[in-house]
Amino acid sequence: DTAVSQTPKYLVTQMGNDKSIKCEQNLGHDTMYWYKQDSKKFLKIMFSYNNKELIINETVPNRFSPKSPDKAHLNLHINSLELGDSAVYFCASTPTGLRETQYFGPGTRLLVL
Amino acid sequence: GEDVEQSLFLSVREGDSSVINCTYTDSSSTYLYWYKQEPGAGLQLLTYIFSNMDMKQDQRLTVLLNKKDKHLSLRIADTQTGDSAIYFCAEVDRGSTLGRLYFGRGTQLTVWP
Repeated sequence: DTAVSQTPKYLVTQMGNDKSIKCEQNLGHDTMYWYKQDSKKFLKIMFSYNNKELIINETVPNRFSPKSPDKAHLNLHINSLELGDSAVYFCASTPTGLRETQYFGPGTRLLVL
Repeated sequence: GEDVEQSLFLSVREGDSSVINCTYTDSSSTYLYWYKQEPGAGLQLLTYIFSNMDMKQDQRLTVLLNKKDKHLSLRIADTQTGDSAIYFCAEVDRGSTLGRLYFGRGTQLTVWP
């Protein structure tokens, strides 16, 4: 009964490729997030969606495009992958946002060669 | 963005207490969180404290909040080897309508047997 799940868990790919990471939550939450954790473990928010609507869009290259087909899913598509995209990407969700705890997925470890 | 600072490393002996410290800059933060990340795993919410509280205790965990100094600490009593992990302090951006979390860089706790 995983609350927030991500696929794949590991992703190894070549520079220049396009890849997608999927996230699903079965908690009935309204808001979902993508975070990036770099090699020094620094976590930074990338995007947030509330009821399928983009709410937060940090300074992220437009090669990164989130898509929310429904409230329970938030996918991340990355075009023209670069070496610097290598990181762990975490999905999270929360009921309404401001005052609610965020629940994190297990992460997707992306390595760009 | 907000600044959340933590020391990077802490080593303790099994059975001792651990104290992990965090400072933040946003005086209007509503919630402050502690997350734990074990090697190769996602983030697990440990505990949180609301900004109108000074202390919160949950079994072996004690959170202390000094709002005047903008200082947050996490004390783990009777630290065990299984507590070895990275501990992240995080605050909610109160100015955001949808709970943008700002993380510290994490404190790597190593527990020696």
